[in-house]
Amino acid sequence: ETGVTQSPTHLIKTRGQQVTLRCSSQSGHNTVSWYQQALGQGPQFIFQYYREEENGRGNFPPRFSGLQFPNYSSELNVNALELDDSALYLCASSPLGAGAQETQYFGPGTRLLVL
Amino acid sequence: GDSVTQMEGPVTLSEEAFLTINCTYTATGYPSLFWYVQYPGEGLQLLLKATKADDKGSNKGFEATYRKETTSFHLEKGSVQVSDSAVYFCALDSSNTGKLIFGQGTTLQVKP
Repeated sequence: ETGVTQSPTHLIKTRGQQVTLRCSSQSGHNTVSWYQQALGQGPQFIFQYYREEENGRGNFPPRFSGLQFPNYSSELNVNALELDDSALYLCASSPLGAGAQETQYFGPGTRLLVL
Repeated sequence: GDSVTQMEGPVTLSEEAFLTINCTYTATGYPSLFWYVQYPGEGLQLLLKATKADDKGSNKGFEATYRKETTSFHLEKGSVQVSDSAVYFCALDSSNTGKLIFGQGTTLQVKP
C-alpha cells in the first residue's frame, strides 16, 4: 500500500473533449510526476511538479497541463482530446526533494478511453 | 536521447525455474537504474535499484547488477513462483531528478 490514490479509476471521453485526472500523494511528498502508459508500452514521462511549480516536461504538447496543490494533491488536465490519448495515466510521488535517490511511489492509475 | 531496451516477452516459465530478463540502456553520464513490477490492475512498484556502476540491487529474491561496461542491468531470480507473474519494467534516471525513462516492459508468466 503506497498511499497514492488516483481518481477516477476509469473514464470514457469523446474526441475534442477535456479531461481532469486527480492524484492524492502521501503526506509530505512534495514532488509529483505524471506518466502516460499506452497499452503494451512502458510509461512515458509527461511532467513533474515540485512545490507547486512545473519542474521538467517530457515530449508532450501544451494541451497537457498540470497543477499541484499545497495539500499534496495534483491534477493532470488534457484539452482537445485525441484518440491517441487513450492510455493509463499514472502519478508518482516522492518525499522531500526530487532525485533518483528518493523512491517514487506510484498510484494505481486512471484508464482513459477516448472515442 | 536516453533509452532503455528490454527483451521481448512474454516469458513463460515453470515454477522454480531460473529467470533472466535482459535490459540494456543508452544514456549520457551515469544514470541510476531501476526495476519496477506491475501486477494486474495495480500501479508500478519499485522492485530494486542501483545508483552507480557495479552496485547490485536486490529484493524479494530478485537481483540486478549495474554493468557500465556492457550498459546492462539484467534482472535475475533463482527460483520463480506463480506469484511473480507480472509485467517487469526496466527504467533509468539520467538526470537524478526522478524523471524516469522506461523500457517497454516484459510480461512474465509462471505456471505451476
